[in-house]
Amino acid sequence: AQRVTQPEKLLSVFKGAPVELKCNYSYSGSPELFWYVQYSRQRLQLLLRHISRESIKGFTADLNKGETSFHLKKPFAQEEDSAMYYCALPGGGFGNEKLTFGTGTRLTIIP
Amino acid sequence: DAGVTQSPTHLIKTRGQQVTLRCSPKSGHDTVSWYQQALGQGPQFIFQYYEEEERQRGNFPDRFSGHQFPNYSSELNVNALLLGDSALYLCASSPWGRVAFGYTFGSGTRLTVV
Repeated sequence: AQRVTQPEKLLSVFKGAPVELKCNYSYSGSPELFWYVQYSRQRLQLLLRHISRESIKGFTADLNKGETSFHLKKPFAQEEDSAMYYCALPGGGFGNEKLTFGTGTRLTIIP
Repeated sequence: DAGVTQSPTHLIKTRGQQVTLRCSPKSGHDTVSWYQQALGQGPQFIFQYYEEEERQRGNFPDRFSGHQFPNYSSELNVNALLLGDSALYLCASSPWGRVAFGYTFGSGTRLTVV
């Protein structure tokens, strides 16, 4: 069964310091992975997708199949990065569209 | 475009009662998924509707049922409510077959069972 693990429930980082939010997955096959973010009093929204290899708001995430990880990174944290972050894994295959979410990491940026 | 809209925003029900939650998908989206998010947990998949049929179901009992209408809007029904059903219920929409491009989520319905 597919599984997503986010080992840190809480993470505090000083402004300007690097950020790394960890995500490990269990999946047989070639996964597509997402990071979703929820800012205070806002709805859950897509931050970035593995397939697009993009950088959003300075965040990047690299899929490491050997370590089955998809860690989210940012070189210099900003106060507006404080939020709840969820790593998510789609079911795989056309028509299998459910997302399996991790338990989330609450990131707090210390001014 | 208002995105995904859910109603009501908050609801308090008594154990044993039944509840109906509603969702209107983002314009252009034809697939609606429902998720339950308990306190301190990530969202958990309940089921997904496309072309007015349940296409996938997560590990939830039959007390959880749904419906999709021709205009793609959807309802989530929960019968015989338990205290453990208290959670934030999220609706997400997408074009069918495009999950790799991500869902659009609503702001949720907070259900409290007392």
